Amino acid sequence: DQQVKQNSPSLSVQEGRISILNCDYTNSMFDYFLWYKKYPAEGPTFLISISSIKDKNEDGRFTVFLNKSAKHLSLHIVPSQPGDSAVYFCAARYNFNKFYFGSGTKLNVKP
Amino acid sequence: EPEVTQTPSHQVTQMGQEVILRCVPISNHLYFYWYRQILGQKVEFLVSFYNNEISEKSEIFDDQFSVERPDGSNFTLKIRSTKLEDSAMYFCASLGQGNTEAFFGQGTRLTVV
Repeated sequence: DQQVKQNSPSLSVQEGRISILNCDYTNSMFDYFLWYKKYPAEGPTFLISISSIKDKNEDGRFTVFLNKSAKHLSLHIVPSQPGDSAVYFCAARYNFNKFYFGSGTKLNVKP
Repeated sequence: EPEVTQTPSHQVTQMGQEVILRCVPISNHLYFYWYRQILGQKVEFLVSFYNNEISEKSEIFDDQFSVERPDGSNFTLKIRSTKLEDSAMYFCASLGQGNTEAFFGQGTRLTVV
């Protein structure tokens, strides 16, 4: 059931630079896409979402881009901070019954 | 800020024993979920629950698993006869009507020995 894929298990970025995390999906019926941030031994924390009818959503340092034709979304963090170091999960839903999660990308922001 | 709370934070149990993981979703939320994450692996969907019944369940959610909303506030996951491979972090989540994102609890670490 790999409907949401994150192909990069890890990413290392220098503080102050841009972090770009990528996600691909297969189901064109998804209506919302979300990014969650997760620290070890904690639950996923909601970060930002985007509706399938939009192509961009911005919230402070975080911007999510959606390319429906490519079935691809990305999360941009600018500027990256050491506190952003965590595992980032892409998720998608097409009804209320289930959120599909990617396998996660571990972001390391180096001071 | 409203949050999803889970108890206990850590549960150690012997193989074959029954465990009940407890969750208090956000008040007024209508959709409830259990997910789990085996160490180092992806977050896996187990089950969703709406209107006092299961909406959807995964292949993982076999006859050993059950969920219940015994009152207006708690949402529980029961594993009847635990196996070693049930060791994982179990996350409860809830979603409000009209909301986009599900809110997750801090998780219960289940260790089966």
